[in-house]
Amino acid sequence: TAGITQAPTSQILAAGRSMTLRCTQDMRHNAMYWYRQDLGLGLRLIHYSNTAGTTGKGEVPDGYSVSRANTDDFPLTLASAVPSQTSVYFCASSEILGQGDGYTFGSGTRLTVV
Amino acid sequence: GENVEQHPSTLSVQEGDSAVIKCTYSDSASNYFPWYKQELGKRPQLIIDIRSNVGEKKDQRIAVTLNKTAKHFSLHITETQPEDSAVYFCAARGYTGRRALTFGSGTRLQVQP
Repeated sequence: TAGITQAPTSQILAAGRSMTLRCTQDMRHNAMYWYRQDLGLGLRLIHYSNTAGTTGKGEVPDGYSVSRANTDDFPLTLASAVPSQTSVYFCASSEILGQGDGYTFGSGTRLTVV
Repeated sequence: GENVEQHPSTLSVQEGDSAVIKCTYSDSASNYFPWYKQELGKRPQLIIDIRSNVGEKKDQRIAVTLNKTAKHFSLHITETQPEDSAVYFCAARGYTGRRALTFGSGTRLQVQP
């Protein structure tokens, strides 16, 4: 089934450890995004990529890094996790031009930093 | 950057009644306004969207209206059903800059049977 795959589904991580959240799409969408979802705050943009080879910072980029080596993959790395990074992380993709503006979301990664 | 405010944060209606959720945005250059529905433990799903050259769009029991002058847009759900219970998010996309969606904080809709 076409769409976005995120891994892992959930993770408990010790503070200070690093971790990479994986995101892969097979729709050949140009743009990809990482959001975090916290209760009462909606979805906040961490980083985005409008096309392979480019990335940009969103609203809450501190403590996170991304890369976009190809169209399909957009991993999110936490270099040294802190408890405030406990959240549900959603990857999304979209066509950036034309009529395909709507996002397709992955199923999310629930991360707990202890 | 864009700022999106959403109200109310919670909404409880009786089955069969209508529900209205309102959002305002700050960037007058924003040109795309989608609405997402998120059921508990699931990913957000696009339910309807509207572009800045259209004032209203309808899809069966749901409709969205846009007032560009006032910079606000609303989601209307008629004849609500228990399966409409979920969290709804509005979003706006600016024309310049990163072009990513900025989301509202969400509305938890509870439809009482």
